[in-house]
Amino acid sequence: GQQVMQIPQYQHVQEGEDFTTYCNSSTTLSNIQWYKQRPGGHPVFLIQLVKSGEVKKQKRLTFQFGEAKKNSSLHITATQTTDVGTYFCAGPSDSWGKFQFGAGTQVVVTP
Amino acid sequence: DTEVTQTPKHLVMGMTNKKSLKCEQHMGHRAMYWYKQKAKKPPELMFVYSYEKLSINESVPSRFSPECPNSSLLNLHLHALQPEDSALYLCASRPVQGGNEQFFGPGTRLTVL
Repeated sequence: GQQVMQIPQYQHVQEGEDFTTYCNSSTTLSNIQWYKQRPGGHPVFLIQLVKSGEVKKQKRLTFQFGEAKKNSSLHITATQTTDVGTYFCAGPSDSWGKFQFGAGTQVVVTP
Repeated sequence: DTEVTQTPKHLVMGMTNKKSLKCEQHMGHRAMYWYKQKAKKPPELMFVYSYEKLSINESVPSRFSPECPNSSLLNLHLHALQPEDSALYLCASRPVQGGNEQFFGPGTRLTVL
């Protein structure tokens, strides 16, 4: 079945540095979503990518969808302590309404 | 109103207890979800309701029994749980038509003793 893999699982970042988390699917995705979960919180939707090669920006966050629509990335520039949390990608799975989440990248920021 | 509410926030129960988790949304979303999340893991799908009908059951043990009494409410009835069922239980909703954004509730932190 379809698998969504996400790396790294853990990212320790110095405040002000950049980092990237990657999501790879074993099959072509019609779309992909990104969520952020703060410690002790619940997943919050960040963005959805639909088109091949699509790039979307939200302030310091840049999201990309690969040309083959099998991978995606989230790049954060000038990391701040507010960026702490776990970032998940999610893609549609084999049944309607079902989504496969990646393992998540837990981000820890050191001041 | 763009939020999903869940009650209770925390629940401690014994293995012989019967309890229920409740989820509510008033966004008109006709797809509602139950997820289970263990620490440092992604949400794991349990059930999906579409137009108040169960459309996906991810082979969840029968000690978990979902119910969707109307388009705004989703319940999860718990009976004879095991300690390994302790987790964060998340409810989510999304519109059937349109985007795939899921709106998650704050979750119920369940501990089974």
